[in-house]
Amino acid sequence: AQSVTQLDSHVSVSEGTPVLLRCNYSSSYSPSLFWYVQHPNKGLQLLLKYTSAATLVKGINGFEAEFKKSETSFHLTKPSAHMSDAAEYFCVVSDLDSSYKLIFGSGTRLLVRP
Amino acid sequence: NAGVTQTPKFQVLKTGQSMTLQCAQDMNHEYMSWYRQDPGMGLRLIHYSVGAGITDQGEVPNGYNVSRSTTEDFPLRLLSAAPSQTSVYFCASSYSSGFLYNEQFFGPGTRLTVL
Repeated sequence: AQSVTQLDSHVSVSEGTPVLLRCNYSSSYSPSLFWYVQHPNKGLQLLLKYTSAATLVKGINGFEAEFKKSETSFHLTKPSAHMSDAAEYFCVVSDLDSSYKLIFGSGTRLLVRP
Repeated sequence: NAGVTQTPKFQVLKTGQSMTLQCAQDMNHEYMSWYRQDPGMGLRLIHYSVGAGITDQGEVPNGYNVSRSTTEDFPLRLLSAAPSQTSVYFCASSYSSGFLYNEQFFGPGTRLTVL
């Protein structure tokens, strides 16, 4: 069965420094992978998605993620954190095994220090 | 487009009361779903619908009912509220259920407290 593990429940960075949010997945098939962001008291917004066209995926607000099949990882990165990036981030997997339903990781809360 | 809308934003219920959480979308999406979000657990699928008249259970369906009489609306009913149903509820929609790379669009959420 498919699953998603977000390796850090909280990540704290200083403004202007790089961001790394880690995600590992388990899937029997070629998965579709997403990162969603949730700002406080808001709904979820899609940051980026992996569609098998390219292993390095660029998303909104300067975020990107790299699909590494050998490591079953889909880590989210950003070169320079901004205060507005403070939010909760969810790694999500979908595949044939789940009938294309979304399976969410438990989330990583990103804190950006001034 | 308003996207996905949910009402109410906040609700407090007593144990045993019933209520309906409303969800509507104006994007003509076939697929709609309900999730609950609890601390440290991400989002879990409650029920979903692949089109008007068709619904199915997700990961945590107990205590909830749904129906889909129109493409636009997908209400979630709590028949007899319990404290374990205290959570934030999100409705989402997408173009179809059978497409691997579908993005789901989420509503702003309903924060429910059951006393």
